[in-house]
Amino acid sequence: GIQVEQSPPDLILQEGANSTLRCNFSDSVNNLQWFHQNPWGQLINLFYIPSGTKQNGRLSATTVATERYSLLYISSSQTTDSGVYFCAVDGYNNNDMRFGAGTRLTVKP
Amino acid sequence: GAGVSQSPSNKVTEKGKDVELRCDPISGHTALYWYRQSLGQGLEFLIYFQGNSAPDKSGLPSDRFSAERTGGSVSTLTIQRTQQEDSAVYLCASSSPGDSGSWGEQYFGPGTRLTVT
Repeated sequence: GIQVEQSPPDLILQEGANSTLRCNFSDSVNNLQWFHQNPWGQLINLFYIPSGTKQNGRLSATTVATERYSLLYISSSQTTDSGVYFCAVDGYNNNDMRFGAGTRLTVKP
Repeated sequence: GAGVSQSPSNKVTEKGKDVELRCDPISGHTALYWYRQSLGQGLEFLIYFQGNSAPDKSGLPSDRFSAERTGGSVSTLTIQRTQQEDSAVYLCASSSPGDSGSWGEQYFGPGTRLTVT
């Protein structure tokens, strides 16, 4: 089945810094989503982005489907950005949604 | 509007007992998904429903696990004869159909934390 790899696994930032999180996938996908899991465990939708670029406030995402990767950009990070960021894909030949292992982000004040 | 709700939020059960976990999707969402997340781990897909039908049950970890959905709305995940390795957070999500037969954007509930003692 499709493999999803996220990097880096852990990231520590000082408040105000920018960061880029990466998601690589091994096969063509129908769709890709980015989620933020907050410290209380709730998964929050960030982007639904099978291709192209989207922006929402300080966050933006780009998916290059032909090269099988997606990037999540966080600018001017805040302590509330801390948590785990997951990438998930829905492959053409899958009957499931595959999640990466996540990037654990810690933003220090 | 109301999001995805799950109940109970926490469940502690003794090994060998049966448990039922409930998911109430966003109104109008035709697809419903169950996942499991073990402590500090990523999400493991279990099963999805399109309407009341589950096309593929191969993601369920064992035959002790079953799921049903009635009326195209509420779903129940049942674990029989629970084992300690079943301890995890069970997450439910729902979506509208996506484009070109793909899965739509998924919205998650808060999860049920299951502890088997």
